[in-house]
Amino acid sequence: LAKTTQPISMDSYEGQEVNITCSHNNIATNDYITWYQQFPSQGPRFIIQGYKTKVTNEVASLFIPADRKSSTLSLPRVSLSDTAVYYCLVGDTNRKLIWGLGTSLAVNP
Amino acid sequence: DGGITQSPKYLFRKEGQNVTLSCEQNLNHDAMYWYRQDPGQGLRLIYYSQIVNDFQKGDIAEGYSVSREKKESFPLTVTSAQKNPTAFYLCASSISRVNTEAFFGQGTRLTVV
Repeated sequence: LAKTTQPISMDSYEGQEVNITCSHNNIATNDYITWYQQFPSQGPRFIIQGYKTKVTNEVASLFIPADRKSSTLSLPRVSLSDTAVYYCLVGDTNRKLIWGLGTSLAVNP
Repeated sequence: DGGITQSPKYLFRKEGQNVTLSCEQNLNHDAMYWYRQDPGQGLRLIYYSQIVNDFQKGDIAEGYSVSREKKESFPLTVTSAQKNPTAFYLCASSISRVNTEAFFGQGTRLTVV
């Protein structure tokens, strides 16, 4: 099963760019990398998904190096409302996703 | 609006009682999932279903049961056999098992006293 490692917590300030790196050394060929955001007492919300290189949407960018053993979620110009837990998951069609502890991001004024 | 609905948001039960948590989706998704989340922890998969009338055990299925009689509905029963049922329960759905993009409900916080 693909296991991921990410920092337990991070601190930032409003307006800064935040980069959260996730390590997934045993990623398989068919695995995708997916990031979710979770606020307290709510269900996680899908942020972005990618397979290689770079993916960008309206809220974030995902950078994946050629060896795919890590990935970086980039949040541009964070605000207080971005304070949440961010989960990195790796999986494909038949492999169950492993949800780790995630990264607790605190955005300060 | 399309989405996934869990009810109730808060639920209290006495120890030894079975309780059923509701999960309904109108996204026309084939796959549905139940997760459990304990304080400060990640999600753990209880059961999942890829198609109507079929479901599979996840990592912590003991003490739980599910049914999938309709595509839209995937209720979870927490039985008295579950040793530590107090937790935050999350239901999710995705287009199919192959798609890792899941849509989650708002969760049900179950407290057993």
